Amino acid sequence: AQSVTQLDSQVPVFEEAPVELRCNYSSSVSVYLFWYVQYPNQGLQLLLKYLSGSTLVKGINGFEAEFNKSQTSFHLRKPSVHISDTAEYFCAVSESGNTPLVFGKGTRLSVIA
Amino acid sequence: GAVVSQHPSRVICKSGTSVKIECRSLDFQATTMFWYRQFPKQSLMLMATSNEGSKATYEQGVEKDKFLINHASLTLSTLTVTSAHPEDSSFYICSARGTSGLEQFFGPGTRLTVL
Repeated sequence: AQSVTQLDSQVPVFEEAPVELRCNYSSSVSVYLFWYVQYPNQGLQLLLKYLSGSTLVKGINGFEAEFNKSQTSFHLRKPSVHISDTAEYFCAVSESGNTPLVFGKGTRLSVIA
Repeated sequence: GAVVSQHPSRVICKSGTSVKIECRSLDFQATTMFWYRQFPKQSLMLMATSNEGSKATYEQGVEKDKFLINHASLTLSTLTVTSAHPEDSSFYICSARGTSGLEQFFGPGTRLTVL
């Protein structure tokens, strides 16, 4: 069965600094990978997804992620963060179109002015 | 496209009452719907998976008689929390998957508070 590990529960970073949120997955088969953002008391918003093709995926709000099959990772990056990026970020994996998404525990990104 | 709505967005009820939450796919046919539960500052935990016209499949530890799920049409699934208690207070999020099968689209969530 697949699982997702988000190594950092909290990441504080200064405004305009770069950030990387780490995500590793465990699966015995090919996977589809996703990053979602959740603002307080709101639902999930899709940032980006990897389904196939290029391993570097660009998403909304200036975020990007790179799928690394050998390291079973899908780390999320942004070169310069804004205060408005403060939120909870979830990495998720699905093994196929028939299985539900499995989520990591989330990483709280706090951008400091 | 691919919009999922939930109603209500927030509900407060007394202990012992039942609460129904609706999840609708507005612009696509949802062959599969999922219900997640999220406690404060925690991740989403899958409660159940439902396919249109079939009985829901519940995850281990989720009481199927307490959390009734109905997926009667390709655009609507409902979650009924029966005889709700304070420990059922949580954020409930639904998601839907269409015929392409590769992506889940999430609703905005329902905040349930049981007094």
